[in-house]
Amino acid sequence: DQQVKQNSPSLSVQEGRISILNCDYTNSMFDYFLWYKKYPAEGPTFLISISSIKDKNEDGRFTVFLNKSAKHLSLHIVPSQPGDSAVYFCAASALRRDDKIIFGKGTRLHILP
Amino acid sequence: ETGVTQTPRHLVMGMTNKKSLKCEQHLGHNAMYWYKQSAKKPLELMFVYSLEERVENNSVPSRFSPECPNSSHLFLHLHTLQPEDSALYLCASSQVKEKLFFGSGTQLSVL
Repeated sequence: DQQVKQNSPSLSVQEGRISILNCDYTNSMFDYFLWYKKYPAEGPTFLISISSIKDKNEDGRFTVFLNKSAKHLSLHIVPSQPGDSAVYFCAASALRRDDKIIFGKGTRLHILP
Repeated sequence: ETGVTQTPRHLVMGMTNKKSLKCEQHLGHNAMYWYKQSAKKPLELMFVYSLEERVENNSVPSRFSPECPNSSHLFLHLHTLQPEDSALYLCASSQVKEKLFFGSGTQLSVL
């Protein structure tokens, strides 16, 4: 059973608009969440993270929101740029238990001109 | 050269072949990982080495054999693979466990 779910395999957004990528998790022990970005023929690169003691973390155009009661997090990209076209992986871990990082299946984001 | 380097980038092998994937990290990290990415599946953790000792093996078939001779190098030895083993194999390293740095991967095709 998947502990980290990205239910949208793909998403298309107009350049300049806001991109919102969603992620749901089932394990209430998760206390650290990450987003990775992957271009074709390259490995995933770390984008942004958030600890469960926060509900928002912002880094430039990227903001991650965490709703612990709903076990849901989202990544907002604004404004979206052509270079943002990539696959985005949501990931989670239970640092207190020293558990491994669990990845979602990814969402492919297309930024339209 | 910096970061995590994987070779080869692409590999095609028959089911009776023996091949090895290589990973090298130049980040001074003390943990290295092998992940498998199959189409439409999450990244699957295969092996973890921390301080050159294997700390996790997620029920990976014995036809995959990892080797970590030192903290900078990691190998994945492949033997009598099956077509369903065709996937992107990613190496990663970390110092702090939650932030992984990935290589570009080896795209493996088993015929």
